[in-house]
Amino acid sequence: DQQVKQNSPSLSVQEGRISILNCDYTNSMFDYFLWYKKYPAEGPTFLISISSIKDKNEDGRFTVFLNKSAKHLSLHIVPSQPGDSAVYFCAASDQGGKLIFGQGTELSVKP
Amino acid sequence: DAMVIQNPRYQVTQFGKPVTLSCSQTLNHNVMYWYQQKSSQAPKLLFHYYDKDFNNEADTPDNFQSRRPNTSFCFLDIRSPGLGDAAMYLCATSRDLGRLAGVGETQYFGPGTRLLVL
Repeated sequence: DQQVKQNSPSLSVQEGRISILNCDYTNSMFDYFLWYKKYPAEGPTFLISISSIKDKNEDGRFTVFLNKSAKHLSLHIVPSQPGDSAVYFCAASDQGGKLIFGQGTELSVKP
Repeated sequence: DAMVIQNPRYQVTQFGKPVTLSCSQTLNHNVMYWYQQKSSQAPKLLFHYYDKDFNNEADTPDNFQSRRPNTSFCFLDIRSPGLGDAAMYLCATSRDLGRLAGVGETQYFGPGTRLLVL
């Protein structure tokens, strides 16, 4: 029973264009959402987060959008750069603080 | 730089031979977590310590144990590794568990230890 799903295992984007990574969740008790970036042979690195009281959070080239009614969040990267090529995990937590991760989406940004 | 450190980065052990993975942190965070991640899968939480309080996930096998002798260090012990235990083991920390004013806690991960069981 997957509470957090990333339905696209991979995404390929041209350098300079927008990358959109999607994530769906089923548990309405989740109120804090995070995106992590992971390079091969390294641990996940925190990228950006959003609380359920907001619908958008922006940090430089990275923007996370939250649609609570659809139980959907997305990460936009604009403009995409080759160094953004990595696996991106979304994660969600409830009041207990435990993180539930999606399976990840591998982003490839081509020059 | 404050960080989460895991040693070793790669560990090879034999089937059934006990192995210990270590994690240390300089963030002075209260909570330390251990995750197991297998290829193309989401990280799976095994257990966490909130200060000295140990919290085991319901589906974590008894084969996996943990120790936290002080704030900075946390160990993962696998008593009798099986072939199915080969995975990346990730340590993470967070300042706290609780939630203040709707702001969640971010977890910070170490680089991971890749375990190979022969």
